[in-house]
Amino acid sequence: GIQVEQSPPDLILQEGANSTLRCNFSDSVNNLQWFHQNPWGQLINLFYIPSGTKQNGRLSATTVATERYSLLYISSSQTTDSGVYFCAVVTDSSYKLIFGSGTRLLVRP
Amino acid sequence: KAGVTQTPRYLIKTRGQQVTLSCSPISGHRSVSWYQQTPGQGLQFLFEYFSETQRNKGNFPGRFSGRQFSNSRSEMNVSTLELGDSALYLCASSVGVYNEQFFGPGTRLTVL
Repeated sequence: GIQVEQSPPDLILQEGANSTLRCNFSDSVNNLQWFHQNPWGQLINLFYIPSGTKQNGRLSATTVATERYSLLYISSSQTTDSGVYFCAVVTDSSYKLIFGSGTRLLVRP
Repeated sequence: KAGVTQTPRYLIKTRGQQVTLSCSPISGHRSVSWYQQTPGQGLQFLFEYFSETQRNKGNFPGRFSGRQFSNSRSEMNVSTLELGDSALYLCASSVGVYNEQFFGPGTRLTVL
């Protein structure tokens, strides 16, 4: 089956710094989403981005489907950005999201 | 528009008991999926339903079952609970599985 790998596994930033999270996947996908899991466990939608580039405030994402990777950019990080970021994909006929193992981000004041 | 709701939010059971979790999708969403999250195994797919039909099932024992009703609400059941079933159970809904999926707040199950 498809492999979804996220890097780095852990990231510590000072407030105000920028960061890039990466998601590599081993097969073509129909759906790619980025989520932020809050301390209470809920997965918050960040981007639905099977291809192309999107921006939402301080966050932006790019998926290069032909090269099988996606990047999540966080600019001017804030302490509230702390948490775990997941990338998840859906492949043809799988009917399920396959998650990477996540990037744990800690933003220090 | 109301989001995905899950009930109950927290549950404590003992080994051998059974449990039923409920998920109400966003209005108009016909696809409902369930996931289990544990510290050791990460987020694992349980099953997906679309218009009351199970289209895919993850690699879980038969003790885990689910169903979807005509109003798209879904339930999952775990029988003969084991300690290892302690986890956060998340439900997601979407218009179709290839569309953007939205998650509920989860049910945190503790098995003693």
